[in-house]
Amino acid sequence: GAVVSQHPSWVICKSGTSVKIECRSLDFQATTMFWYRQFPKQSLMLMATSNEGSKATYEQGVEKDKFLINHASLTLSTLTVTSAHPEDSSFYICSARRTGAEFTGELFFGEGSRLTVL
Amino acid sequence: RKEVEQDPGPFNVPEGATVAFNCTYSNSASQSFFWYRQDCRKEPKLLMSVYSSGNEDGRFTAQLNRASQYISLLIRDSKLSDSATYLCAVNNLGGATNKLIFGTGTLLAVQP
Repeated sequence: GAVVSQHPSWVICKSGTSVKIECRSLDFQATTMFWYRQFPKQSLMLMATSNEGSKATYEQGVEKDKFLINHASLTLSTLTVTSAHPEDSSFYICSARRTGAEFTGELFFGEGSRLTVL
Repeated sequence: RKEVEQDPGPFNVPEGATVAFNCTYSNSASQSFFWYRQDCRKEPKLLMSVYSSGNEDGRFTAQLNRASQYISLLIRDSKLSDSATYLCAVNNLGGATNKLIFGTGTLLAVQP
């Protein structure tokens, strides 16, 4: 099956620091990856669409300068939360779409990264 | 109006009960539909895709009603292990809107 690995699973940082989260598709190529955020007892909110070799597309209300996305290869996308603040504490989940499967809609999810900003 | 809406629940049902969840979507151009299951503090996992003709997988049955723009999930003979949050997801394929949008999720608690 398609496996997506996300790292780190947990991170605790001080306010003002930057945190990088990696999302890797382990056994398939993913031209497109998605980054979601989920606050407690709420649904997954799409933050941005990450496309290999091009700029990410951000959803309305998501600050692109705060949430830096890089998709440098077909198997890796990174999300950097810059100058993190306590309100950025959340569960960040990436998902990947297999290259060539753009019309199935199916996504494969990473295990998520729980960020706590003190 | 949210793009995808669900009753958040919780649905508290006894073991063996049949429970149904509905989900409505606002974009009539939506083309693919899914039900995901999410356990507490975990990532969502695909439960089943939803096809126009309806589809069944063991105790789970999914239906799509394009005219009314809703999808449903029926769980028969509920097990304790079915306790989770069930998320419906809708995708508009093609172009800039090719992305999966989730509903708020419906919490199911199966009681012994």
